[in-house]
Amino acid sequence: DTAVSQTPKYLVTQMGNDKSIKCEQNLGHDTMYWYKQDSKKFLKIMFSYNNKELIINETVPNRFSPKSPDKAHLNLHINSLELGDSAVYFCASSSFPDHALSGYTFGSGTRLTVV
Amino acid sequence: AQSVTQLGSHVSVSEGALVLLRCNYSSSVPPYLFWYVQYPNQGLQLLLKYTSAATLVKGINGFEAEFKKSETSFHLTKPSAHMSDAAEYFCALCNTGTASKLTFGTGTRLQVTL
Repeated sequence: DTAVSQTPKYLVTQMGNDKSIKCEQNLGHDTMYWYKQDSKKFLKIMFSYNNKELIINETVPNRFSPKSPDKAHLNLHINSLELGDSAVYFCASSSFPDHALSGYTFGSGTRLTVV
Repeated sequence: AQSVTQLGSHVSVSEGALVLLRCNYSSSVPPYLFWYVQYPNQGLQLLLKYTSAATLVKGINGFEAEFKKSETSFHLTKPSAHMSDAAEYFCALCNTGTASKLTFGTGTRLQVTL
C-alpha cells in the first residue's frame, strides 16, 4: 500500500484550463501539505492543512484552491492554468504535534505541463 | 526566519570515493534537520533526520550526517559512493507547532563516475 498517493502522475493541459490533483494518505497523519518543485528543482511549500483546517497559505495565487474533505485527503484545484504553473507538485503528510518525529512523507509527485 | 544553504549545486565523485554533501542552516531555535533523496522522475525519500537525540545520525543506504551546532552544519556523508547513489539530495529544516513546514535547500545533484 502506498503511504501517500497522488493522482494523476502526469498531467498535460492547455493554458486556460482548470485541473485538479488528488492526494490521499493512509498513515493516520493529521497534517497534509502541497509543495511545488520548479524547473530548477527548488521545493517550496504552498499550503498545509491540519484536520481539514487551512494552516499555511504561502502567497499562492488565488487560482490555486486546496480542499481537504477529511484529514486523509488533500486535493489541489487550479483554475485558468498558465505556462508558469508547469512544475512538479508534491503532496506530503505528517502528524501534529511531533511533525519531525512522525516524519514528513511525500507522494511520488504530479508533473504538470501547461502548453 | 529559518533557512537552509546547500553548498555546491553539483558534486561529482568516483565510484568508491567518499561522498560529502554540505548543508548549513540558520535557525533561532534548535532545529530539526532532514536529508531527502530524489531519484530521477521520482518522489522524495527520507534518508535520515536529526531530532535532537544523537548528533551523529545514521540513515538508509549507508549515509550518515552529523549535527554540529557550533558550525550550524548538517553535512551528509557516505564512505564509498555507488553508481546507484546518483540523484538529487535535499537538506531541509522544519519548525515545530501547528504551522509546521519543511524548508528546503536548493539541492545538490550527485554524479557518480566510474
